[in-house]
Amino acid sequence: DTAVSQTPKYLVTQMGNDKSIKCEQNLGHDTMYWYKQDSKKFLKIMFSYNNKELIINETVPNRFSPKSPDKAHLNLHINSLELGDSAVYFCASSQVQGTFGEQYFGPGTRLTVT
Amino acid sequence: KNEVEQSPQNLTAQEGEFITINCSYSVGISALHWLQQHPGGGIVSLFMLSSGKKKHGRLIATINIQEKHSSLHITASHPRDSAVYICAVASYGKLTFGQGTILTVHP
Repeated sequence: DTAVSQTPKYLVTQMGNDKSIKCEQNLGHDTMYWYKQDSKKFLKIMFSYNNKELIINETVPNRFSPKSPDKAHLNLHINSLELGDSAVYFCASSQVQGTFGEQYFGPGTRLTVT
Repeated sequence: KNEVEQSPQNLTAQEGEFITINCSYSVGISALHWLQQHPGGGIVSLFMLSSGKKKHGRLIATINIQEKHSSLHITASHPRDSAVYICAVASYGKLTFGQGTILTVHP
């Protein structure tokens, strides 16, 4: 059984479109995250949710809106996609929120904006 | 200057060699993470530590809080250890990543 799953794995779309990436974890963790990995492979945290509540929003443009319908799901919706949004997006979860706990990562979604 | 600096950026080794990757940080932290990113892109958590030393198989992670420094050691390296190793520090509600160390182990 996959612990943290993301769909889709690849997403190719045009500038200006709106798209969503879904994430689900079956580990029973309370905290979920979205990370962005740029073309230089540098990782940066975008959002953190603890029990469906937004904890961290790291100066991400308003075009990015996370949604957590329950603590097992954290989806990422992106409006008006721009070329600079092209990256790999990783979802992760952990049991402990304060120290970011041991991170369990999803397989990543490679977003390409043309 | 980044809050988290890793060295070296690239490391090439022969199978069987002892490998050390270093991570220095400039802020007070609650925990430090070592991650491994496989060539296929998947990311795996190797260690989370806030003091002392942890060991898992051939991997050892140490941290010196006073010196703001951590090391990841790989004993008896193997080609399957080839990956990017990433250090990340948890500090004041943020998680900040190093730029990664690309390790290549040749048979």
